[in-house]
Amino acid sequence: NAGVMQNPRHLVRRRGQEARLRCSPMKGHSHVYWYRQLPEEGLKFMVYLQKENIIDESGMPKERFSAEFPKEGPSILRIQQVVRGDSAAYFCASSGLAGVLDTQYFGPGTRLTVL
Amino acid sequence: AQSVTQLDSQVPVFEEAPVELRCNYSSSVSVYLFWYVQYPNQGLQLLLKYLSGSTLVKGINGFEAEFNKSQTSFHLRKPSVHISDTAEYFCAVSDQGNAGNMLTFGGGTRLMVKP
Repeated sequence: NAGVMQNPRHLVRRRGQEARLRCSPMKGHSHVYWYRQLPEEGLKFMVYLQKENIIDESGMPKERFSAEFPKEGPSILRIQQVVRGDSAAYFCASSGLAGVLDTQYFGPGTRLTVL
Repeated sequence: AQSVTQLDSQVPVFEEAPVELRCNYSSSVSVYLFWYVQYPNQGLQLLLKYLSGSTLVKGINGFEAEFNKSQTSFHLRKPSVHISDTAEYFCAVSDQGNAGNMLTFGGGTRLMVKP
């Protein structure tokens, strides 16, 4: 059973470009979480999605950031018009159930560098 | 809202010595508690979690943690560390009323095991 997959593992963008980060949850998982880890900091929650629904986006910046989890295909975190402060590691996690009844399994992360 | 404090950003220790990684949290509601480990260039892996019941929780790789409600702490311990335990360790909490199980992480503690 493959784990959570994220691609690309490393992404370099120039200021003003768009960044698309992909997350394929574990097989059978329908809950996806995105976290951001800034340099020298812990992970910060961004958004929680179920298939075709955004459940909680309280941690998402109000502008330039969006996320989706379509019925088919991976979850996408999109950052428009990237700035240097967006440089971070972005982690995706998935679970089969909502709540603490099930463990969140994390992917290896995408390390975004904005030049 | 919750917050998690990991007092030590780095903990150097010799192989086969005991280690304790400290975690304190603050929350206005009851929480669930977690420890995750992150090996270099990998995603986070769950070590153990406290949901209810016995305050001493045993996890993988010989780690254990004790929940102390009065001191709002959840320190991680291992009686004898190995070189392979060198990694970043994150303490996290989840609000018991949070149906989505979003995690709030501490800043991490880098455990460096020396031969």
